[in-house]
Amino acid sequence: DAGITQSPRHKVTETGTPVTLRCHQTENHRYMYWYRQDPGHGLRLIHYSYGVKDTDKGEVSDGYSVSRSKTEDFLLTLESATSSQTSVYFCAISESGQTTGELFFGEGSRLTVL
Amino acid sequence: SQQGEEDPQALSIQEGENATMNCSYKTSINNLQWYRQNSGRGLVHLILIRSNEREKHSGRLRVTLDTSKKSSSLLITASRAADTASYFCATKGSSNTGKLIFGQGTTLQVKP
Repeated sequence: DAGITQSPRHKVTETGTPVTLRCHQTENHRYMYWYRQDPGHGLRLIHYSYGVKDTDKGEVSDGYSVSRSKTEDFLLTLESATSSQTSVYFCAISESGQTTGELFFGEGSRLTVL
Repeated sequence: SQQGEEDPQALSIQEGENATMNCSYKTSINNLQWYRQNSGRGLVHLILIRSNEREKHSGRLRVTLDTSKKSSSLLITASRAADTASYFCATKGSSNTGKLIFGQGTTLQVKP
């Protein structure tokens, strides 16, 4: 299994509170991604990173920010959580975005916003 | 909106039967990939087919790609109860960011 660790794995929070999800990899892969998975929507890309301090928006980036200060860590922050952000969040990594783009996924972080 | 759309959304078969899932997409692609997700787990890469390939095999998996119809199919032969999972297609565009766009998935149940 690819060395990808997501934390926390489960979190319950209240509307309006900040939340940070962490993705840590030990594979030294250049590309990292955050997806959310919701019934009826499949997986949707939130943000991705193509290098340290290099990030870009995905298709559902509103309400989310990311940071990548080291190759191994990619943080996803919800500045003020809303109930619509209740979801399962997956981090993924890719060695070579320029060729195959095969992704390796973490086990997911289940977030509930009350 | 999603790039890939899987069909059917749900499929239930008996062990030993074949399972076929289809994926349609909208724009030109570099490659198309299939992933599997067991309940409560992350996605696992199964197979990749490039835009210049028409068919690919991996064990009991057979993937076809028809770029003229913008569609792909995943065939699982001689299915097993352990194949019960959700299956997603994902497309990679020609840009160099490597990001994949996923469909909504097909939920497969294989009954013993």
